[in-house]
Amino acid sequence: SQQGEEDPQALSIQEGENATMNCSYKTSINNLQWYRQNSGRGLVHLILIRSNEREKHSGRLRVTLDTSKKSSSLLITASRAADTASYFCATDQNNAGNMLTFGGGTRLMVKP
Amino acid sequence: SQTIHQWPATLVQPVGSPLSLECTVEGTSNPNLYWYRQAAGRGLQLLFYSIGIDQISSEVPQNLSASRPQDRQFILSSKKLLLSDSGFYLCAWTGADNSPLHFGNGTRLTVT
Repeated sequence: SQQGEEDPQALSIQEGENATMNCSYKTSINNLQWYRQNSGRGLVHLILIRSNEREKHSGRLRVTLDTSKKSSSLLITASRAADTASYFCATDQNNAGNMLTFGGGTRLMVKP
Repeated sequence: SQTIHQWPATLVQPVGSPLSLECTVEGTSNPNLYWYRQAAGRGLQLLFYSIGIDQISSEVPQNLSASRPQDRQFILSSKKLLLSDSGFYLCAWTGADNSPLHFGNGTRLTVT
C-alpha cells in the first residue's frame, strides 16, 4: 500500500507563481524525502527532511514537516517553465530506513 | 563520482517471453539496490531490494524475480511475461539507510 499520498494530483500555474504540494503519510518515519521526475526519466532527489526537523530550504524549494499531523508540504517559489514535472514524496515506512515508499505524485505544469 | 546504468531504455516483448533487465552501479561499494515499477501516471511500487550479494527481499508477490550476482549488479528477470508486467522499471541505489535514492533512467517495458 502507498505510504505517502500527495495532493493535488495535478497542478497548473503560471510562470512566476508559487506551487504548493502536500503529502500525507500513515506510520512513524525517520525522514521524508521529495523527488522530481521529468516525463519518461528517472527520479531525482530534491530534499530530505528528518523527523526532528520542521522546515528546510534549498534554493527556491521550501519543505515543511508536521509529524503530529503526519504531513509535509513542498513549496516551489517563483516557478519556471522548467519546473514542469511530477513531484513525489517518499517515506521510510515504520522506520525501515533501507526501504522507501512513494506516493502517487503531483503533476505540475508551469505555463510560460 | 557514482553513476548508475540501466538498460535497455525501451523493450517490447511478447506475452510468454523471458525478461532480463540489468542495472549496474559505479563508483561505490556495497550499495543498497532497488527495483521499482511505475504504472503510467502513477507512483512507484517497490518490487525488490537488496542489501548485499545474494540478499534479495521481495515486497510483492509477482511474476518477477531479482538477483544480485555481484556487489554492484542487480538483475530483474521473468521466465514468462504477462501483459500486466508492462510498465516503467526503475533501478535505484543508496549508500546507507535513511539516505537519498539515486535512480537510473528506467526501462519502459511493453508486453504485447
